[in-house]
Amino acid sequence: QVQLVESGGGVVQPGRSLRLSCAVSGISFSSYGMHWVRQAPGKGLEWLTVISYDGRTKSYADSVKGRFTIFRDNSKYTVDLQMNSLRPEDTAVYYCAGGAGVVTAKYDNWFAPWGQGTLVTVSS
Amino acid sequence: DIQMTQSPSSVSASVGDRVAITCRASQDISTWLAWYQQKAGKAPNLLIYAASTLESGVPSRFSGSGSGAVFTLTISSLQPEDFATYYCQQADSFPLTFGGGTKVEIK
Repeated sequence: QVQLVESGGGVVQPGRSLRLSCAVSGISFSSYGMHWVRQAPGKGLEWLTVISYDGRTKSYADSVKGRFTIFRDNSKYTVDLQMNSLRPEDTAVYYCAGGAGVVTAKYDNWFAPWGQGTLVTVSS
Repeated sequence: DIQMTQSPSSVSASVGDRVAITCRASQDISTWLAWYQQKAGKAPNLLIYAASTLESGVPSRFSGSGSGAVFTLTISSLQPEDFATYYCQQADSFPLTFGGGTKVEIK
């Protein structure tokens, strides 16, 4: 069955780094674009970043641009999120989600399937 | 960036009620819109995409309508498992953005 399993969350001090990973199974991973979406405690959803099916195209929200980097390994069916210079406002549950293979406007840029999420807490 | 505004932010309803949630985009997004359901402590789940296309496996009591800048998610007859928070999301341009959510609560 389709599974997306995030890992790597935890408690980290402000200014430090953390790398999240999402392991995917049950879908043709190399055909999917992959996204990261986060949700701060008690808040709504915030899209962060996407990587195209071949890893050549990426896009980032302004809130994480220059601090976060998305990677994928199509041989391992994984997508990672490297998070640097973390801030308390980055505290959230981080979800990986599948989407359209290409990264382009006015396209099927919705999210399915989703992982169960991993909690990142940025605190001293 | 395209701003997405949902209303109401919460609604109290009874089983069997018809519920409608509105989502407004800050500019014309044609039908590049999706709706998600999120239950407490769980990941969101795609319900509707392209404004009105029902995702596979989603009950037919859910429907979506609208185009341009105003969209509606309708639940025709609310069931106990439908009490959740609903989000709209624009797929027109990056950064992709969500509405603030509508919590459907039991009256």
